[in-house]
Amino acid sequence: GAGVSQSPSNKVTEKGKDVELRCDPISGHTALYWYRQSLGQGLEFLIYFQGNSAPDKSGLPSDRFSAERTGGSVSTLTIQRTQQEDSAVYLCASSAESWTVSAEAFFGQGTRLTVV
Amino acid sequence: AQTVTQSQPEMSVQEAETVTLSCTYDTSENNYYLFWYKQPPSRQMILVIRQEAYKQQNATENRFSVNFQKAAKSFSLKISDSQLGDTAMYFCAFIWNYGQNFVFGPGTRLSVLP
Repeated sequence: GAGVSQSPSNKVTEKGKDVELRCDPISGHTALYWYRQSLGQGLEFLIYFQGNSAPDKSGLPSDRFSAERTGGSVSTLTIQRTQQEDSAVYLCASSAESWTVSAEAFFGQGTRLTVV
Repeated sequence: AQTVTQSQPEMSVQEAETVTLSCTYDTSENNYYLFWYKQPPSRQMILVIRQEAYKQQNATENRFSVNFQKAAKSFSLKISDSQLGDTAMYFCAFIWNYGQNFVFGPGTRLSVLP
């Protein structure tokens, strides 16, 4: 596609349920990032994928959070046993080549997750 | 650790006037890129301007320009002839050479008043 696509745009879930958030990066982009943005706040880094390398999971807040990237393209962020503090906008971004620092990050429109 | 600070949580400016948003960062790296991103109410993050650390000349994109002071680790954004459509959150960010993730500041909420 022309840009980074995220689905769903909005998700309301009950506390304790599992959710999956999807990110479809720009075709050919080797780097993919997940960020979390709480209401009116900055971006909190969650996880980063670069090609076939092991992902950098250093930003995941707990073991309830996991992410995978299949075939070097689509990524899924999974949150198990959701809690109210997980409510936020989850942003996905991709870039052409992270080791070439001229590359900018292209963002999707995010998924707004609300845990009730 | 690499950090980015934006000391102005909120700012406002009258339409057609000029406003400057500040950003400072901390890094021991010598090669890196700095960015300003805009996030309007639609949530879509949009790149406004980019600066390579090894370039002394300040980047300019139409009404947007930066004042990059490498020694002071400062990277401010100047918006000239402010327009209503400039109302948004503005995030300063950087990525260092051979780094892995973009580091973002906490953002500045800019309101352009008619």
